[in-house]
Amino acid sequence: QVHLQESGPGLVKPSETLSLTCTVSGGSISSYYWTWIRQPPGKGLEWLGYIYYSGSTNYNPSLETRVTISVDTSKNQFSLKLNSVTAADTAVYFCARVFTDNGDYRWFDPWGQGTLVTVSS
Amino acid sequence: DIVMTQSPDSLAVSLGERATINCKSSRSVLFNSKNKNYLAWYQQKTGQPPKLLIYWASTRESGVPDRFSGSGSGTDFTLTISSLQAEDVAVYYCQQYYITPPTFGQGTNVEIK
Repeated sequence: QVHLQESGPGLVKPSETLSLTCTVSGGSISSYYWTWIRQPPGKGLEWLGYIYYSGSTNYNPSLETRVTISVDTSKNQFSLKLNSVTAADTAVYFCARVFTDNGDYRWFDPWGQGTLVTVSS
Repeated sequence: DIVMTQSPDSLAVSLGERATINCKSSRSVLFNSKNKNYLAWYQQKTGQPPKLLIYWASTRESGVPDRFSGSGSGTDFTLTISSLQAEDVAVYYCQQYYITPPTFGQGTNVEIK
């Protein structure tokens, strides 16, 4: 059974870059799409972007200028970078696998446990 | 973007009673040629990640109890818990995957009355 685990700093200073990694275990990262989703404290869910194991990406237009998602198939990991962060980027960040259907994105399953990143000086 | 709006924001239901959550999309998520609604439901318990319950608006994920059911088409959808159990206390989210970016409803908090 595939398991995802997020890792990275829990505190980032304003204007700096948030960096997180998602490690996939129990299965290969290959042949799947993967995603990052965030949830500000007490609020709803916001999709950040997709990545295919080949490295192709698709980002949320609302964050496209600040977000980069990459993949390292040798480590069975994919990563998120969000630059120029502000307090509004404080959230629990989840990684998840994307179910696809003929190359079209569908639902998210499974999800990692999530990691809280606080933006504060 | 497709805006997903859930109602109510919160509801309290007695154990064993029915809980009904509504989700409305700002445009249809029915793909006519496939006759499929591109909508999923998730359950999020406190301190946990969301868990997939239902996809294609009405297909229950493997292992999900049959007291959970999804219905609706086009722009109006419903998640029903037929007989609320204590372990069903959670926030429930709908999500459309008809177009990118995928978007979620704001969530409905279900608690025990």
